Amino acid sequence: DGGITQSPKYLFRKEGQNVTLSCEQNLNHDAMYWYRQDPGQGLRLIYYSQIVNDFQKGDIAEGYSVSREKKESFPLTVTSAQKNPTAFYLCASSNRLAGLTDTQYFGPGTRLTVL
Amino acid sequence: AQTVTQSQPEMSVQEAETVTLSCTYDTSENNYYLFWYKQPPSRQMILVIRQEAYKQQNATENRFSVNFQKAAKSFSLKISDSQLGDTAMYFCACNNAGNMLTFGGGTRLMVKP
Repeated sequence: DGGITQSPKYLFRKEGQNVTLSCEQNLNHDAMYWYRQDPGQGLRLIYYSQIVNDFQKGDIAEGYSVSREKKESFPLTVTSAQKNPTAFYLCASSNRLAGLTDTQYFGPGTRLTVL
Repeated sequence: AQTVTQSQPEMSVQEAETVTLSCTYDTSENNYYLFWYKQPPSRQMILVIRQEAYKQQNATENRFSVNFQKAAKSFSLKISDSQLGDTAMYFCACNNAGNMLTFGGGTRLMVKP
């Protein structure tokens, strides 16, 4: 089946630790995105990548880092510099480079809790 | 900068009835797309419907349709024959030339039996 997978579903982190959230897609999409969702709110863009080995900051990139070494994979690292990392994280992908017609499709999300 | 506003934090509807969710947006783009996404309790974001701004005809997908008023920058979602499975958060979104999505704050819809 084609789709987007995220792992783990739930993640617990101690303060001061870095953690990496996985996002993999087999849709052959060029562009991938990371969003953060806080309770009762909409999604906010953290980082996006339109091509392998290239990525750009979104609206709330501070305290996060990404890599895009493979077309299928776009892992997100939440660093200790992120002051309030507890949130729900969603990964998405879309088909064409910077195309207005491209619908973003989402993975199932990862719930990160800092203890 | 784009903004998307959903003025109804919560709504409810009886099963089989019709409900309309409101969305207004502001963008400086000349060409853009508008989307409605559904987020059920599983929290997976699911595309419901999308509208191309340069098309005057309102988009429809089975029981879901939109009322797109470009001059008013309004993009409402109508759900006909509401079903229990429609219970979810609904998010309106607008993209820009770089295909970055700006989301509204969401409307929680409860369908009552």
